[in-house]
Amino acid sequence: GEDVEQSLFLSVREGDSSVINCTYTDSSSTYLYWYKQEPGAGLQLLTYIFSNMDMKQDQRLTVLLNKKDKHLSLRIADTQTGDSAIYFCAESINNDMRFGAGTRLTVKP
Amino acid sequence: GAVVSQHPSRVICKSGTSVKIECRSLDFQATTMFWYRQFPKQSLMLMATSNEGSKATYEQGVEKDKFLINHASLTLSTLTVTSAHPEDSSFYICSARERQGVYGYTFGSGTRLTVV
Repeated sequence: GEDVEQSLFLSVREGDSSVINCTYTDSSSTYLYWYKQEPGAGLQLLTYIFSNMDMKQDQRLTVLLNKKDKHLSLRIADTQTGDSAIYFCAESINNDMRFGAGTRLTVKP
Repeated sequence: GAVVSQHPSRVICKSGTSVKIECRSLDFQATTMFWYRQFPKQSLMLMATSNEGSKATYEQGVEKDKFLINHASLTLSTLTVTSAHPEDSSFYICSARERQGVYGYTFGSGTRLTVV
């Protein structure tokens, strides 16, 4: 099965919070990342968290890491239509990087 | 911050021809660059790791004679799709790591290849 798993779709209303979840399987991951991909574009690094941290907040973004359950989440507060994109979580192990399949976030006005 | 430029963004070619995609790190040196392929509604699939001054390392199942990778300088890696077929149509993305550890990868903007 996949090393990194995410749900494929999420739909929210503008102004609501979005929570995108991710599970990973390798406990030796050193860093975990969230990337955003807009249509027809490459991946943009949104944020990252070191594996010994539980939480990281950066403006509207909050990353929560539960290392025991190998669960990572990205919360986007006050979601805007411009946040509509595909969000990939990824884990970094040594020089390898493994991606989830991506969660397509749709923001409805 | 680190910027990776990928060119072209879109290319349409005829079956049997070859297409070259360039990936440049603009403000940093990248001894290692990575090439990914993305199928519709799927995640990134690592194709190969491009090492400056040496041969690329290909992932299992990726034909190295079909996907030629050259990393001749610390700021440029190229992927050439040789004798392209319609099934090679895909979105190709390169990335580079500025330094070990924290910053992860910086991605190019991707190339949409359509083989007709």
